[in-house]
Amino acid sequence: AQSVTQLGSHVSVSEGALVLLRCNYSSSVPPYLFWYVQYPNQGLQLLLKYTTGATLVKGINGFEAEFKKSETSFHLTKPSAHMSDAAEYFCAVSDPVGATNKLIFGTGTLLAVQP
Amino acid sequence: DAGVIQSPRHEVTEMGQEVTLRCKPISGHNSLFWYRQTMMRGLELLIYFNNNVPIDDSGMPEDRFSAKMPNASFSTLKIQPSEPRDSAVYFCASSVQGLAGGYTFGSGTRLTVV
Repeated sequence: AQSVTQLGSHVSVSEGALVLLRCNYSSSVPPYLFWYVQYPNQGLQLLLKYTTGATLVKGINGFEAEFKKSETSFHLTKPSAHMSDAAEYFCAVSDPVGATNKLIFGTGTLLAVQP
Repeated sequence: DAGVIQSPRHEVTEMGQEVTLRCKPISGHNSLFWYRQTMMRGLELLIYFNNNVPIDDSGMPEDRFSAKMPNASFSTLKIQPSEPRDSAVYFCASSVQGLAGGYTFGSGTRLTVV
C-alpha cells in the first residue's frame, strides 16, 4: 500500500531563510502529489499539486515543489521564509491513481519561523 | 463557490449525548471524506463516499459512529453516545473522482465532549 513519510515533525527556520520540508512516498507508480497547509484553527488548504507534466510546480505564497521520480520525493521549498508561513504542512499522495480515489496523508510538519 | 461548508463550527456536549455534524460538499464533487484530527493521532480518515455510496468505513472507530450521505449535497456524521475521547476537530472534504484536483476541506467542527 502507498505510504508517505515526512521527515521532521518540527522544523524551525529564521525569517528570510530557506524553507525545505521533505516528503517521500513509497509507490513505484508515479502518483498524484499534493502539499496542504493548515494555519491554526483552520482547515487544510491546497498549496500546490503535481499530476502530470512539468516536475517543478509552483504554488501559492511563493512555495514550490519538485517531483523526483528516481528519489520518490516531492520536497517543498520556499527561498525566503516569512513569519506568516508558520503553519503545519501536510504532504499527500494518491493511492493509486484512479483506484480508490483516496489520498494518503503524511503526519505533517510544523513549521516555526523565528524573527 | 462557497467551498465545503461544515456546521456547527463548535460543539460542546455532555458525555452520553448524541452529536450530529453536517457537511455540504462543493457542487459537482462526487467524493466526500470525513476526517478526525487530534494532537495524539493526527489526521485520521474515518469514512469516504463515492457518488453517495460509502466505500471505506474502516476508519470509523466504533459502532457509536455512523455516517450518511442521503444525496449529493449533504452528509452527516453522528456520534451516539458521545464520550470525552471523541473530542477532536472533525473535517469534511470533497473532491472530483479521479483526484487530479485534490481535496477541498471545510473549516472543521471542533467537538468538545465534557
